[in-house]
Amino acid sequence: AQSVTQPDIHITVSEGASLELRCNYSYGATPYLFWYVQSPGQGLQLLLKYFSGDTLVQGIKGFEAEFKRSQSSFNLRKPSVHWSDAAEYFCAVGSYNTDKLIFGTGTRLQVFP
Amino acid sequence: DADVTQTPRNRITKTGKRIMLECSQTKGHDRMYWYRQDPGLGLRLIYYSFDVKDINKGEISDGYSVSRQAQAKFSLSLESAIPNQTALYFCATSDRTGPGANVLTFGAGSRLTVL
Repeated sequence: AQSVTQPDIHITVSEGASLELRCNYSYGATPYLFWYVQSPGQGLQLLLKYFSGDTLVQGIKGFEAEFKRSQSSFNLRKPSVHWSDAAEYFCAVGSYNTDKLIFGTGTRLQVFP
Repeated sequence: DADVTQTPRNRITKTGKRIMLECSQTKGHDRMYWYRQDPGLGLRLIYYSFDVKDINKGEISDGYSVSRQAQAKFSLSLESAIPNQTALYFCATSDRTGPGANVLTFGAGSRLTVL
């Protein structure tokens, strides 16, 4: 079955600390992979996407993610978290011939000063 | 103005009432989607449409209906609202084909409370 797993429901970090949010997927076809962020009271905004090529992709707001096919993972990283990064983060998977994305259940990030 | 506009942003209603959530977009995208967000469940697809004449059920379509009035407009209706339809609803759009078909642009959401 096709699925996306975000094993961490809630993560708390201190401002300035590094961050890694985990995402694992199960998908039959070559995946397209995405990270979206939802700030409080807002819709979802695309952070970054992977279609093909370089497995390390850069996104907005200083985020990056690495596609590891052997581990079926697409983890999101940021070297130094800012208080404004507090939000909910969603990983999603699709492909060139799919009608729709499959979303993970989200990871809520809390940032302490 | 936002690329994808949802109205109303907040709505409180009673069980049994008919509710319509509206979505309009200026992206020029062919594909439009309605998602529901519940805490701990992520986003679940209710309905999606590839053009005015092509509407498809998602994974949780029971109790909902949709109408694609034009390329830019896609509305979601709850014919007889029930409390477990209390949720945050998102409209999204994407290109018709290619990798862009997977890149969603979301509205700000419509929070619905059914008492």
